[in-house]
Amino acid sequence: GIQVEQSPPDLILQEGANSTLRCNFSDSVNNLQWFHQNPWGQLINLFYIPSGTKQNGRLSATTVATERYSLLYISSSQTTDSGVYFCAVGAHKLIFGTGTRLQVFP
Amino acid sequence: NAGVTQTPKFQVLKTGQSMTLQCAQDMNHEYMSWYRQDPGMGLRLIHYSVGAGITDQGEVPNGYNVSRSTTEDFPLRLLSAAPSQTSVYFCASSYSTGPGNTIYFGEGSWLTVV
Repeated sequence: GIQVEQSPPDLILQEGANSTLRCNFSDSVNNLQWFHQNPWGQLINLFYIPSGTKQNGRLSATTVATERYSLLYISSSQTTDSGVYFCAVGAHKLIFGTGTRLQVFP
Repeated sequence: NAGVTQTPKFQVLKTGQSMTLQCAQDMNHEYMSWYRQDPGMGLRLIHYSVGAGITDQGEVPNGYNVSRSTTEDFPLRLLSAAPSQTSVYFCASSYSTGPGNTIYFGEGSWLTVV
């Protein structure tokens, strides 16, 4: 099956810093999504991005499907950005990566 | 509009007991699924359904049973709980698999098997 790897596994930032999270996948995919799991465990869909670039406020994502990777950019990080960021491939049958745990300190 | 509702939120079971995790959605979504999340790991698919009366296995189906008698409800049954089933369980739903599809997750059910 498809393997999904994320890096870095952990990231510690001071408020205001920028960061880039990476997601590599082992085979071509038609669907890729990014999720944020907040410290209370709630999962929120951030982007549906099988290819190209999307932006939503301070967050943006780029997927280069031909090279099998996706990037999530967080600019001017805030403490509320803390949590775990997952990428997942597939449509309703998702295969998740192991996540990047982000901690943002004031 | 409540979204995806899971109950119970917390449960402790003894080895060998059975129980049902409930999941309901009020968005008229065709697709529903159950995932488990173990410490330090991403979510893994247990079972999914593409519509009422249709279910199929995911990556880790052993020890679990599902049914989908209505569009709204997708219960997950643990047949004989084992300590290896200690995990956080998430139910999810989505309208379709097309472009721009958004998947909605419930708030999770924390299950401990002793």
